[in-house]
Amino acid sequence: IVMTQSPLSLPVTPGEPASISCRSSRSLLHSNGYNYLDWYLQKPGQSPQLLIYLGSNRASGVPDRFSGSGSGTDFTLKISRVEAEDVGVYYCVQALQTRSFGQGTRLEIQ
Amino acid sequence: QVQLVQSEAEVKKPGSSVKVSCRASGGNFRSSAIFWVRQAPGQGLDWLIKSIPMFSLTQYAQTVRDRVKISADKSMTTAYLELNSLTSEDTAVYYCARGEQKTVGDNEDYYYAMDVWGQGTTVTVSS
Repeated sequence: IVMTQSPLSLPVTPGEPASISCRSSRSLLHSNGYNYLDWYLQKPGQSPQLLIYLGSNRASGVPDRFSGSGSGTDFTLKISRVEAEDVGVYYCVQALQTRSFGQGTRLEIQ
Repeated sequence: QVQLVQSEAEVKKPGSSVKVSCRASGGNFRSSAIFWVRQAPGQGLDWLIKSIPMFSLTQYAQTVRDRVKISADKSMTTAYLELNSLTSEDTAVYYCARGEQKTVGDNEDYYYAMDVWGQGTTVTVSS
């Protein structure tokens, strides 16, 4: 399954919203009704961290300004108000067949 | 809270092997999945392996399937990744990650997200 993210680079002003799109080459909707799609953030110089799992569930400790939505082949990660600490590379990952990562979207503060 | 502690950086010759360890501090892998992911210099993340010891299930990426071996100690607190026949293309930071078991849906299917990550181990392959 091929994962395609857009944009690849995202300059954002602090306090403004941000949105990242992720498209999969086949539907990630499992027969159990859940979308097998996760979002991760890799901050500069750090290991990746889980943000969202099963399409829309925030991981433990993730601020509520992060939200995930979408179904089937089209998904979106939204940040309601970007903060300086949100800088890094965001990845979507499909979990329906083994795993495959998107190319990553680099969010930077402008 | 489980933390994953990985072994130190390695420098290897082409054609040799490397073994990376991943120790779970404050927990174990008994009811979890273990993932291995790598990141080549300046590149994105690349999934390599998903292993669920409880079900003796392991899945591999095509790029390493024929030359990788994973294992764990009896206490299931330390996992190992051994990669053979190294080439320069294996130069990367190797991450282990734990996937806590979650049940989803009416059939209680199991789901594993990579919720805890190690600090990464740099493997450099150079002659």
